[in-house]
Amino acid sequence: DAGITQSPRHKVTETGTPVTLRCHQTENHRYMYWYRQDPGHGLRLIHYSYGVKDTDKGEVSDGYSVSRSKTEDFLLTLESATSSQTSVYFCAISKGTSGSNEQFFGPGTRLTVL
Amino acid sequence: GNSVTQMEGPVTLSEEAFLTINCTYTATGYPSLFWYVQYPGEGLQLLLKATKADDKGSNKGFEATYRKETTSFHLEKGSVQVSDSAVYFCALSDRSNTNAGKSTFGDGTTLTVKP
Repeated sequence: DAGITQSPRHKVTETGTPVTLRCHQTENHRYMYWYRQDPGHGLRLIHYSYGVKDTDKGEVSDGYSVSRSKTEDFLLTLESATSSQTSVYFCAISKGTSGSNEQFFGPGTRLTVL
Repeated sequence: GNSVTQMEGPVTLSEEAFLTINCTYTATGYPSLFWYVQYPGEGLQLLLKATKADDKGSNKGFEATYRKETTSFHLEKGSVQVSDSAVYFCALSDRSNTNAGKSTFGDGTTLTVKP
């Protein structure tokens, strides 16, 4: 267990509203990731971070932004939510040691955009 | 680029049946390979891993062998239980220093085991 929590766990919002999801880790690992999981698409990487204030885009970054002002927190923001962003969002960390790079996942946030 | 292709589901088996979920990959470097499992309502958790050719990862009766010559990492279990019902993901991670620990995931295979 890498001590990863996500908040909120469930959220219902309306189209056009901003939404921020939070990922918190307790072990100060360098690498953090945001994924979305949709039926038929597996896991798709939205954004990732390789350190404080160091972030980069994943394969499905349009409509999303991220921030990492502290090692332990990685925020995902939907600037203006759309129905296509209804999904389950997972945060993950990698311990970043040389070797295998396995990832550890949070419990997920189920977001519904009406 | 990197990619992972895994057997499409859903897969339905009777308890104590033999399980195989196929996974093949394409990678530009020499990746580490993983199987993750996701139980309903939860995040993914690492099931097993292998970091070099011919390594066998194993955990909870599941096994997978890193086959570089066939670029495969098939998941097997000799006797499945109802509690093994879950979604299984094959994944790889390129260990280059520029990769930032990123992984590429397959689309997942849903396994249902009936009593």
